[in-house]
Amino acid sequence: TQLLEQSPQFLSIQEGENLTVYCNSSSVFSSLQWYRQEPGEGPVLLVTVVTGGEVKKLKRLTFQFGDARKDSSLHITAAQPGDTGLYLCAGALTGANSKLTFGKGITLSVRP
Amino acid sequence: NAGVTQTPKFQVLKTGQSMTLQCAQDMNHEYMSWYRQDPGMGLRLIHYSVGAGITDQGEVPNGYNVSRSTTEDFPLRLLSAAPSQTSVYFCASRTEGLSSYEQYFGPGTRLTVT
Repeated sequence: TQLLEQSPQFLSIQEGENLTVYCNSSSVFSSLQWYRQEPGEGPVLLVTVVTGGEVKKLKRLTFQFGDARKDSSLHITAAQPGDTGLYLCAGALTGANSKLTFGKGITLSVRP
Repeated sequence: NAGVTQTPKFQVLKTGQSMTLQCAQDMNHEYMSWYRQDPGMGLRLIHYSVGAGITDQGEVPNGYNVSRSTTEDFPLRLLSAAPSQTSVYFCASRTEGLSSYEQYFGPGTRLTVT
């Protein structure tokens, strides 16, 4: 059973479109992170959210942590080909021994 | 500032061979981890360390050993490689904190076991 479920698994959109992807769980997390990974490289941290209901913006990317700290969403406005990549969410369980659990990722392709 | 470095970048092993994947970080992070990434499986934690001399098992530790003699280095050893260990391996280090984790990944080692 996957602790963190990411959806959709694959997404292909046209440049300029908006999109929202999700990271869901039945567990409560003390913090949740989003990473982007490009082919042949390691994941790169985009954001960490720690407070229920928290919203963080990174240019055209908007991240939200659910009020109950069980889920998160990533919204991209006016997607660009440079946004193409694998988006991973990772959560730290409340009370766990500092271990991060990763979802399987969302593969995003933005067509020019 | 090199961040997290991994060597080698690519490796091909025969079944039964042993090898060590190297990982080093220059950010003075206490916490280091090894993950493997397989298609459709996401990142899975192999072993981790919360400081020099302290290591613990992750989700998929079988077939791998680690040690942490210094803060900077965290090598991963495959004692007897198996085809099931074909994967991309990532080392990561991060700051420590109850609610904030700034984790940095290395570029990865792509391992093929034949």
